Amino acid sequence: EPEVTQTPSHQVTQMGQEVILRCVPISNHLYFYWYRQILGQKVEFLVSFYNNEISEKSEIFDDQFSVERPDGSNFTLKIRSTKLEDSAMYFCASSEGTSYPRPYFGPGTRLLVL
Amino acid sequence: TQLLEQSPQFLSIQEGENLTVYCNSSSVFSSLQWYRQEPGEGPVLLVTVVTGGEVKKLKRLTFQFGDARKDSSLHITAAQPGDTGLYLCAGGGGGSNYKLTFGKGTLLTVNP
Repeated sequence: EPEVTQTPSHQVTQMGQEVILRCVPISNHLYFYWYRQILGQKVEFLVSFYNNEISEKSEIFDDQFSVERPDGSNFTLKIRSTKLEDSAMYFCASSEGTSYPRPYFGPGTRLLVL
Repeated sequence: TQLLEQSPQFLSIQEGENLTVYCNSSSVFSSLQWYRQEPGEGPVLLVTVVTGGEVKKLKRLTFQFGDARKDSSLHITAAQPGDTGLYLCAGGGGGSNYKLTFGKGTLLTVNP
């Protein structure tokens, strides 16, 4: 069964450093998303991406964050200057783009900012 | 801001018992997804319900979407230890809004 993959599974970085989280969505899906989950808290929407542009973003997704689909398969989330509070599990998701979301989630990247 | 409240937050039962988990909101959602999440892993989609009053069954799991599309329930019959996990509901806005709003989840433990 097709699945969303993410790399790396774990990332440790120093505060102020840039990190890039990578995702390979399911191949025939049209919508791509990033969500995050701070330890012990609920899953939060960050951004959705369709047709090579951001379709919606949350208030969390400030100027420190950016997304890109550099080729036909990868979807990346960049955090330019990480902060301690960026430590979380980051999930990539993709969906077919029918009338209802139905996104399928990847296994996540656990980001720890020291 | 759309919010989804899940109850109970924690549930510990014995193998063979039945249980129901609830997901409530004051907002209308165009769709409601139920996910299951294991520790350190991503949410795994169980079901999507889109029509008010809709009932879907997945083996021993029964999902229902409220008539007003503001609430949903997950009922598990004859729970097994393998059902242990975090159950999340997530509401979708529909149309061009594909953002999901998640509840905090119900952590289910089924004891053998």
